[in-house]
Amino acid sequence: NAGVTQTPKFQVLKTGQSMTLQCAQDMNHNSMYWYRQDPGMGLRLIYYSASEGTTDKGEVPNGYNVSRLNKREFSLRLESAAPSQTSVYFCASSELTVLNSPLHFGNGTRLTVT
Amino acid sequence: AQKITQTQPGMFVQEKEAVTLDCTYDTSDQSYGLFWYKQPSSGEMIFLIYQGSYDEQNATEGRYSLNFQKARKSANLVISASQLGDSAMYFCAMREDFQKLVFGTGTRLLVSP
Repeated sequence: NAGVTQTPKFQVLKTGQSMTLQCAQDMNHNSMYWYRQDPGMGLRLIYYSASEGTTDKGEVPNGYNVSRLNKREFSLRLESAAPSQTSVYFCASSELTVLNSPLHFGNGTRLTVT
Repeated sequence: AQKITQTQPGMFVQEKEAVTLDCTYDTSDQSYGLFWYKQPSSGEMIFLIYQGSYDEQNATEGRYSLNFQKARKSANLVISASQLGDSAMYFCAMREDFQKLVFGTGTRLLVSP
């Protein structure tokens, strides 16, 4: 019963390096999301994908790109990492585009950029 | 402007007592949904309870209930009979447009024996 799986769990990058955070869900959900969590700021939406083939910017998209590879997978790419991108990243999915559909979250990726 | 405001950075409660975590929201939409999530120290986000803007009754899920006051735009979480395992961060969130969930900054709850 995996739910939403994120890899890696931890990552340290040097400024300027690139990396891709992977996310996969096995719940047949249509919508997928990437959030970042910083102390004192709650969770902020980076990008989301309402359905396979579509992606949209959230509140804090600068410095990131996303790919909805198929219905199951939604990846987040940092092309040139900056210390300001040090954060915990959460992927989430939801079943339906209706108000009462909760988001199901992965366990997070803790990223440090030095 | 903040869509979701949680004014209590930290709350303390004794085991077996009830506690209320505050949440106010800002929207001009008539149709919206409000959620509460729990984040224990292990880091995962756990969905607790949902309240729709058209729901006439306050939502309840076991020891969790949502005190929904639409006119005041508040959606406070009430935890009854607190347990040590309730110590965690609690986030209030709102969905307006059938897609994005916007979160507050959270309240850290500490339950003492």
